[in-house]
Amino acid sequence: AQSVTQLGSHVSVSEGALVLLRCNYSSSVPPYLFWYVQYPNQGLQLLLKYTTGATLVKGINGFEAEFKKSETSFHLTKPSAHMSDAAEYFCAVTHGTNAGKSTFGDGTTLTVKP
Amino acid sequence: KAGVTQTPRYLIKTRGQQVTLSCSPISGHRSVSWYQQTPGQGLQFLFEYFSETQRNKGNFPGRFSGRQFSNSRSEMNVSTLELGDSALYLCASSLDGLGYEQYFGPGTRLTVT
Repeated sequence: AQSVTQLGSHVSVSEGALVLLRCNYSSSVPPYLFWYVQYPNQGLQLLLKYTTGATLVKGINGFEAEFKKSETSFHLTKPSAHMSDAAEYFCAVTHGTNAGKSTFGDGTTLTVKP
Repeated sequence: KAGVTQTPRYLIKTRGQQVTLSCSPISGHRSVSWYQQTPGQGLQFLFEYFSETQRNKGNFPGRFSGRQFSNSRSEMNVSTLELGDSALYLCASSLDGLGYEQYFGPGTRLTVT
């Protein structure tokens, strides 16, 4: 079984400040990990993914995440928040033998204050 | 490439009716997954189809069903609608679902009255 816990359903930062969204996962097999962003009334857009190899992965819009197996974490960061980053963010886990079935966290709503 | 398309975008149905939602994946993608998104339950996996076969299924009652056609387009059907079925239904496609990222459509907003 696999599960995802996103710590903090709401995160608020000032424009230009560091963004840190936390994600911890549980998986009985090596996981594939993803971060998605969802804007109001839209579907999910992939920000970045970790499958194998380099544990620090870079995504779109300046986001990056680091896979830490020992901590079972995959936190999302961005050095400097922009107003356009305000959205809901979802961490997801799947693995190769469970094709097409991702388990999502409950989501974190990011607010960016001017 | 065109993205994942879902039709209709919005739908209002009455309790007891049935509904069919459609999803066209990105060209070349063979895996199509369906998710239900609600404020209370979040994103929940419904089922996944690959090459016209259901490969994975979530924990939803039998009222929820789906199918995939030879061109990879997929439909999901919900029979005997209940108020609790009101949700955003998201379709996602991927090359083969084996760890590849999923590309999501805009969703169909279903309201059951």
